[in-house]
Amino acid sequence: DGGITQSPKYLFRKEGQNVTLSCEQNLNHDAMYWYRQDPGQGLRLIYYSQIVNDFQKGDIAEGYSVSREKKESFPLTVTSAQKNPTAFYLCASTNTGAGYEQYFGPGTRLTVT
Amino acid sequence: QQQVKQSPQSLIVQKGGISIINCAYENTAFDYFPWYQQFPGKGPALLIAIRPDVSEKKEGRFTISFNKSAKQFSLHIMDSQPGDSATYFCAASIGGTSYGKLTFGQGTILTVHP
Repeated sequence: DGGITQSPKYLFRKEGQNVTLSCEQNLNHDAMYWYRQDPGQGLRLIYYSQIVNDFQKGDIAEGYSVSREKKESFPLTVTSAQKNPTAFYLCASTNTGAGYEQYFGPGTRLTVT
Repeated sequence: QQQVKQSPQSLIVQKGGISIINCAYENTAFDYFPWYQQFPGKGPALLIAIRPDVSEKKEGRFTISFNKSAKQFSLHIMDSQPGDSATYFCAASIGGTSYGKLTFGQGTILTVHP
């Protein structure tokens, strides 16, 4: 089955710890994205990457870091500098050109206490 | 300039009724407008999308109406069903595709009562 895998589905961490969220896709998509979802605020773009070894900050990149060493993988690290990390995190991917849509993974719910 | 404003925040409709969700944007460079449907605990899934060269697009019970001069677009769900109960997001991007940055509206929680 082709698709986007995010793991784990639920993640719990103590305040002050860094945590890395996994995102893998086997759709052969060039571009990958990380969004944060909070109630009543829609989806906000954290980082995106349109090619391996390159990525750009989205609208709320502070306190987050990413890497894109392989086409199929785009892990997100939530650092201790992120002031309010508890949220639902969504990974997406797409290809270039008209007709290609952003496909989303199932999400990871991160709770930091 | 990059915002997409969505309303209402929540909507309750009886089975068989019409659900209408509205979005407005400021950036005239936006040229791709998708709608996503999200069920609780799941990632959003593309429902239907439109480009500004047409004023309406219909797929089954779902219709997008687009008003370029007013910079508004809306989703109409005809014959709403309980299975349509979900959160709906409008979005917009530049470049005619979703390859670049998608800017999302705040979401509308739709509840369809049987």
